[in-house]
Amino acid sequence: EAQVTQNPRYLITVTGKKLTVTCSQNMNHEYMSWYRQDPGLGLRQIYYSMNVEVTDKGDVPEGYKVSRKEKRNFPLILESPSPNQTSLYFCASRLQGPLGGYTFGSGTRLTVV
Amino acid sequence: GESVGLHLPTLSVQEGDNSIINCAYSNSASDYFIWYKQESGKGPQFIIDIRSNMDKRQGQRVTVLLNKTVKHLSLQIAATQPGDSAVYFCAENHGGSNYKLTFGKGTLLTVNP
Repeated sequence: EAQVTQNPRYLITVTGKKLTVTCSQNMNHEYMSWYRQDPGLGLRQIYYSMNVEVTDKGDVPEGYKVSRKEKRNFPLILESPSPNQTSLYFCASRLQGPLGGYTFGSGTRLTVV
Repeated sequence: GESVGLHLPTLSVQEGDNSIINCAYSNSASDYFIWYKQESGKGPQFIIDIRSNMDKRQGQRVTVLLNKTVKHLSLQIAATQPGDSAVYFCAENHGGSNYKLTFGKGTLLTVNP
């Protein structure tokens, strides 16, 4: 089944403790992206990657890092999480090119206390 | 329509009625638009898309209308069913090499049996 898989689904952590949210897709998509979703603010792009070893900032990159060493994986790294990073996170992928929507993962709900 | 503040616009319809969900987009250079459906606890799911050289596109029970003059997009759902209850987002692609999608804040559709 074609899908984007994120782990974990739920995570509660403490301020300052480094964490990684994994994302993997099995559709051979070149383009991958991370979004966060907050009430009243909708989906906002954190980082995106147009292919292996090519990443760039989205609209809200502060406090996040990403890497793209392999085509299928695009982990999101929070080096020192803070409470304002409490949110619902989605990884998404798509084929390169001007048309076509994203396929989204099921989301990771992160709480930073 | 688009949300204001922290509250999602809501639309409540009776089962079997037609639903119309509206979206105002911001960028006159946007050339590609997508509607997504997000059910509770899930990631957004692609419904239908439309390019800017079209003003109407139909899918199964759904129709998207695009009015570039007033920068307005609508999603029509025929014979709405309880399973259609979800948050619906429009997304616009501004063009450019990063194929970035910008999402509206969503409309909550509730279908009453």
